[in-house]
Amino acid sequence: DAKTTQPPSMDCAEGRAANLPCNHSTISGNEYVYWYRQIHSQGPQYIIHGLKNNETNEMASLIITEDRKSSTLILPHATLRDTAVYYCIVPNRNNFNKFYFGSGTKLNVKP
Amino acid sequence: ETGVTQSPTHLIKTRGQQVTLRCSSQSGHNTVSWYQQALGQGPQFIFQYYREEENGRGNFPPRFSGLQFPNYSSELNVNALELDDSALYLCASSLPDRNTGELFFGEGSRLTVL
Repeated sequence: DAKTTQPPSMDCAEGRAANLPCNHSTISGNEYVYWYRQIHSQGPQYIIHGLKNNETNEMASLIITEDRKSSTLILPHATLRDTAVYYCIVPNRNNFNKFYFGSGTKLNVKP
Repeated sequence: ETGVTQSPTHLIKTRGQQVTLRCSSQSGHNTVSWYQQALGQGPQFIFQYYREEENGRGNFPPRFSGLQFPNYSSELNVNALELDDSALYLCASSLPDRNTGELFFGEGSRLTVL
């Protein structure tokens, strides 16, 4: 898998936007960027994925730089329930479902 | 709620014993992956099954083995348990579609080896 680098932790005030960065400088041209999160003691939950263009769904937005070497997950209005570990993943294009999760970013949303 | 169910949710074993963990995939999903998550770490890929055949394996010894059944449910077997096998074991089902390859995870089986 393309190696990803994420900060170990971030804080965000409730109601504010949370911007979680991820570096994936070795990404290949046709490899997607996936984001998952894991709330304490639960299984990881899919958030969003993208290839080149920015993506938005009901949970979040994904901004991918033009050179595709980094991306940012945006939670537009963070709530206390968004406190979780967020994983940025670039699956190997030859073994698509083998995800390398790494250590992720622990997002702490504070009142 | 992903539709992926795992059993048991918690179990305690002693060193040297064997354990079988079970996973029912989401309806229509023919691919099941297993992950091990040690405390404080991200999930690590163990192996994947697609249409009852192993389809990729991570860096785990042969005492970690699995099965997938015709209904796509799956089992993870671990023989000769070691203390370091204590972890949350996660099952994820998916369709092998490169454009929407979401993994749908269950809540996991927490194994404690004493």
